[in-house]
Amino acid sequence: QVQLVESGGGVVQPGASLRLSCKASGFTFRSYGMHWVRQAPGKGLEWVAVIWYDGSNKYYGDSVKGRFTISRDNFKDMLYLQMNSLRAEDTSVYYCARDATRGLGMDVWGQGTTVTVSS
Amino acid sequence: EVVMTQSPATLSVSPGERATLSCRASQSLSSNLAWYQHKPGQAPRLLIYSAATRATGVPDRFGGSGSGTEFTLTISSLQSEDFAVYYCQQYNNWPRTFGQGTKVEI
Repeated sequence: QVQLVESGGGVVQPGASLRLSCKASGFTFRSYGMHWVRQAPGKGLEWVAVIWYDGSNKYYGDSVKGRFTISRDNFKDMLYLQMNSLRAEDTSVYYCARDATRGLGMDVWGQGTTVTVSS
Repeated sequence: EVVMTQSPATLSVSPGERATLSCRASQSLSSNLAWYQHKPGQAPRLLIYSAATRATGVPDRFGGSGSGTEFTLTISSLQSEDFAVYYCQQYNNWPRTFGQGTKVEI
């Protein structure tokens, strides 16, 4: 079945780095754009970043621009989010999501991985 | 960025009743809007795309309407499994943005 599974979350100190991973299965990963979306405790969903199906384009939310990098490995069916200079306000559940055909929303989501930034 | 504003923040409804959720965009989106359902501890679920098209497997009690800057999600007869938080999201501009959510509670 179509599935996305995130991993790599944990507890880190402010200023640290962390890399999240998302393993895709059940679909042709290399044909789809992919997103990262996060949800801070008690808050709503916040879009973080997107990468084109072939990695040729990337966009970021203003709150993470210059600190986070999205990437993918289409041979391994993997999506990544490298997070540097982490701040307390980056504490969230991070979801990976598939861009729907023709970009019509995000149609497949993972269960999320939790990142806590605390001293 | 496009600011998405949802109302109300919380909607108290009884099972079987109709629920109407609103979403307003700070600039025109044409019909480039999606709705998601999110339950605690679960992955968000795409309900509606292109403002009015139900995603695969979504029951027909969920309906979307609107275009431009004003959008509505209607749940015609609330079932117990529909109590959740609902988000609108625009995909007309970068960065993508979500509304702050409407919690539908009993």
